[in-house]
Parts: sequence; C-alpha cells; structure tokens
Amino acid sequence: AQSVTQLDSHVSVSEGTPVLLRCNYSSSYSPSLFWYVQHPNKGLQLLLKYTSAATLVKGINGFEAEFKKSETSFHLTKPSAHMSDAAEYFCVVTPSNFGNEKLTFGTGTRLTIIP
Amino acid sequence: GAVVSQHPSWVICKSGTSVKIECRSLDFQATTMFWYRQFPKQSLMLMATSNEGSKATYEQGVEKDKFLINHASLTLSTLTVTSAHPEDSSFYICSARKPGLAKLSYEQYFGPGTRLTVT
Repeated sequence: AQSVTQLDSHVSVSEGTPVLLRCNYSSSYSPSLFWYVQHPNKGLQLLLKYTSAATLVKGINGFEAEFKKSETSFHLTKPSAHMSDAAEYFCVVTPSNFGNEKLTFGTGTRLTIIP
Repeated sequence: GAVVSQHPSWVICKSGTSVKIECRSLDFQATTMFWYRQFPKQSLMLMATSNEGSKATYEQGVEKDKFLINHASLTLSTLTVTSAHPEDSSFYICSARKPGLAKLSYEQYFGPGTRLTVT
C-alpha cells in the first residue's frame, strides 16, 4: 500500500521569498516520487522526480526536492518565488516494483504568491 | 518530446446523453494510457488503466459499463461517459506512458484535461 500526505492545503508566500511545500509518503516498496504542477484548467506538468538515484533532485523552474528516507519526506523547495509559480502542486508516489505503475496523488497544495 | 492531447477541452451535454473524450499521444506510441478524474479543488483519482488491444482495467468503485474505455491504437484512447448525469460533471485527465524507458517507466505524460458539465 502507498499513500501521500501533503501537509498544507494552501501556502502563501511573498514574491522573492523561499517556497516550501511539504510532502510525506508511505510505501510498501522503495518508492519513486514526483512533484507535478497544475495551472488553472490545465493538465499536469512534471516538475521533478526521484527514482532511487541522488536524494537531492533538481527540477524545472528552479524547484528542487530532497528525498529523506528516515523522515519519509519529499519536500519541494524554491529559493525565490515568482508570480508565475502560483498554481496547484501535487506530490505523487508510485512503488518501484516492476509492473506497478499506479500513481497515488496527494491532495494538493495551492501556492499563492503575494506581489 | 512527449505530448499528449485531449479533445474536447470542454464539453456540455444534457443528462442522459453520452459523450466521448479522446486522448492522443502526439509524438510517441503509448501501449498504456490512464484515465483520471478530478473534482473541484481535489486531487486526481485513477479511474482505469487502458491497454492497447485489450480490455481496460478499472479501479474499484468505477463502473465499467458507464465509463467505456477503448484503446484501439497505440496513439489513441477514448473514454465514453454513457448516460451522463450531473454527478458525472468533472475534470477528466488522461496520461500516457512512454515505453522503452525501463528505469523511468513510471513517468506519465498528462493531457490538458477535459471539463465535462452535465446539465
């Protein structure tokens, strides 16, 4: 079984300040973890992914996330928020065992950027 | 690249009618596609896994006779909502798995979604 908990449903930060979106996971197998972003009425875009390589993963648009097995966390960060970062962010887990491709989505975190 | 399109992007239909949503992988062949449903301000819920040339695998609680899935080619999967009712109104998103990337096989490419409103 696997699950994802996004600890904040809504995060507001000022433009130019750091962003932290928190995600904790549970998985029976060694997980692969993803962060996706969804702008209003749009599909999902992959920000970054962890697949058992380096624990610090760098993604697009300046985002990065660190896989911490001891804390079962995969928090998403960005040093300086931009207005275009305002969107819904989903943390996603899938087990790395072969043949199982089902993605389990967190409930999402809405990021608001204050000018 | 790996681009997935959906058509239509937005559809309104009357209660009792059926509506078909198409999902296409534009620049790769997808043996496996997935259909998700997203309610307002909620997360995505997997409805079914669509495999080219075989029957779809539905998640628990999803009515296969109501949500008909056909994956007739390596670039096209369709979802037909039959006898639609207002409670079927939702945002439907498809994704496609690009084959041949063994270690990254869990990465899915998502379409832009289709908003269905049933009146």
